[in-house]
Amino acid sequence: EPEVTQTPSHQVTQMGQEVILRCVPISNHLYFYWYRQILGQKVEFLVSFYNNEISEKSEIFDDQFSVERPDGSNFTLKIRSTKLEDSAMYFCASSNIGLAGGPYTQYFGPGTRLTVL
Amino acid sequence: TQLLEQSPQFLSIQEGENLTVYCNSSSVFSSLQWYRQEPGEGPVLLVTVVTGGEVKKLKRLTFQFGDARKDSSLHITAAQPGDTGLYLCAGEGSGSRLTFGEGTQLTVNP
Repeated sequence: EPEVTQTPSHQVTQMGQEVILRCVPISNHLYFYWYRQILGQKVEFLVSFYNNEISEKSEIFDDQFSVERPDGSNFTLKIRSTKLEDSAMYFCASSNIGLAGGPYTQYFGPGTRLTVL
Repeated sequence: TQLLEQSPQFLSIQEGENLTVYCNSSSVFSSLQWYRQEPGEGPVLLVTVVTGGEVKKLKRLTFQFGDARKDSSLHITAAQPGDTGLYLCAGEGSGSRLTFGEGTQLTVNP
């Protein structure tokens, strides 16, 4: 069964450094997402991406964040200058287009645990 | 801002018992997706409900979407220790973003 994959599984970085989290969405999906989950808190939406551009972003997704689909398979989240409060699990998700008003059922990857020291 | 309230937050029951988890909001959602999440892993999709009043069954799990598409429930019949885990509801709002509830941590004791 197709699945979303993410690398690395765990990333440790120093405050102020740049990190790139990588995701390979399910191959025939057209919508891509990033969510984060701070330890002990609920999963929060960061950004959605469709047709090579951001379709929606949350208030969390400020100028230090950016997303890119550099080729036909990868989807990346870049955090430019990491802060201590960026420590969290970051989940990539993908969905097929909601045809005829149907749902955008999202499938999640296993996550990248980001630790900022 | 759309919010989803899940209850109960924690539930500990004996094997063989039935249980219901609730997911409530004042907002209307296009769909309601239920996930199960294990520690340190990503949410795994259980079901998507779309139509108001819709009921879907997945073996011993029954999912219902409220008529007004503002609330949903998950009912587990004859719970087993393998059902232990964190259950999450997530509402699809405008633009396809998911709003997650806080989750229900279920423990089924043998």
